[in-house]
Amino acid sequence: GAGVSQSPSNKVTEKGKDVELRCDPISGHTALYWYRQSLGQGLEFLIYFQGNSAPDKSGLPSDRFSAERTGGSVSTLTIQRTQQEDSAVYLCASSLPPGTSSLQETQYFGPGTRLLVL
Amino acid sequence: AQKVTQAQTEISVVEKEDVTLDCVYETRDTTYYLFWYKQPPSGELVFLIRRNSFDEQNEISGRYSWNFQKSTSSFNFTITASQVVDSAVYFCALSEAGNTDKLIFGTGTRLQVFP
Repeated sequence: GAGVSQSPSNKVTEKGKDVELRCDPISGHTALYWYRQSLGQGLEFLIYFQGNSAPDKSGLPSDRFSAERTGGSVSTLTIQRTQQEDSAVYLCASSLPPGTSSLQETQYFGPGTRLLVL
Repeated sequence: AQKVTQAQTEISVVEKEDVTLDCVYETRDTTYYLFWYKQPPSGELVFLIRRNSFDEQNEISGRYSWNFQKSTSSFNFTITASQVVDSAVYFCALSEAGNTDKLIFGTGTRLQVFP
């Protein structure tokens, strides 16, 4: 597709269950980011993938959060044993590799997955 | 440490008024990038502008203009002759060269434009 796509759009789960959120970046974008938007914390960085390099996981809030990126394209964010504080909108963004031009590359965002943990 | 401050939580204007959204940033890097994104009620973050630290030239795009001043660490956004469709939350963001290029966002300013 033309833009970043995410699925599902909405997810309601029970506390303690695992969830998987999917992101399909813009074709040709090798950099992929996950962010979280919640009422209390605003927009915060979670994890970054760039090509075959080791991901930057510095923003993951706990070891219940993990992410994979298979084949350098689609990414899955997994939250294990969900807690109510995990309720938020999870946003994915992609960009051309930093340094592709002489400037920082722009991140383009998907529509997000709204997660509600009951 | 890096930080972005958007002191205005919410602004309300009447259509055709001009409005300026403030953004102040903190960084120790000499090379960094500043962004503005718009988040309409639909929720998707829409890219508006990117500016790098060594280019202080102001930019105008239609009714939008941006004023970047390194001396005051500010990157303000002005909408001229606002319209109802401009109603959204606007985020200012910073990224530092060599820091994974992750975006550090401000808390956003909610702009409501009334007819």
